[in-house]
Amino acid sequence: QVQLQESGPGLVKPSETLSLTCAVSGYSISSGYYWGWIRQPPGKGLEWIGSIYHSGSTYYNPSLKSRVTISVDTSKNQFSLKLSSVTAADTAVYYCARHLILGGRPYYFDYWGQGTLVTVSS
Amino acid sequence: QSVLTQPPSVSGAPGQRVTISCTGSSSNIGAGYDVHWYQQLPGTAPKLLIYGNSNRPSGVPDRFSGSKSGTSASLAITGLQAEDEADYYCQSYDSSLSAHVVFGGGTKLTVL
Repeated sequence: QVQLQESGPGLVKPSETLSLTCAVSGYSISSGYYWGWIRQPPGKGLEWIGSIYHSGSTYYNPSLKSRVTISVDTSKNQFSLKLSSVTAADTAVYYCARHLILGGRPYYFDYWGQGTLVTVSS
Repeated sequence: QSVLTQPPSVSGAPGQRVTISCTGSSSNIGAGYDVHWYQQLPGTAPKLLIYGNSNRPSGVPDRFSGSKSGTSASLAITGLQAEDEADYYCQSYDSSLSAHVVFGGGTKLTVL
């Protein structure tokens, strides 16, 4: 069974960089699929941040692209998110998920982590 | 403002049938791109409910069904049960300058 687990600081100061890691078990990242990050501000809907393939190929949400870096570490079977220059608007539950890409286009997310709340506050 | 539009809330009594709409445009659903649905129970991560417009992953009851027509898609739930009370999100691909992955704003289903 594919399992994903997010980890990282729950509190980040404004203007600093948010860093999260997603550890994958039950499936090798190198076997295929993209691996993505999605966030959900408290009481609001879902927003896709970006996704990465084990080769390092990435898709990013254009609205966040200038601040986002997603990387992958196949030796540790994990991938990571960095979001720079954070503000209170970046406060959200951050989820990692396995992302199917079909025909060269992003498709659905079939396995999700439990999510981790990151609060941006001084 | 979400690229895909869903009603904020719907409700139904146990045993009834409810539908949740997801309206897009010519750059996403109307362009023929598939729609996927997720169920988010309170305090939990989203779960894939329907993929490719009308396909159910293993383990999802056949009370849940999806369809697509034109620039819209729908999720139908028959035989409504108390445990179906959740938020539901549609998701698709958008070929415009917006995010390639777009979600609806979500619909809160209340079981009366």
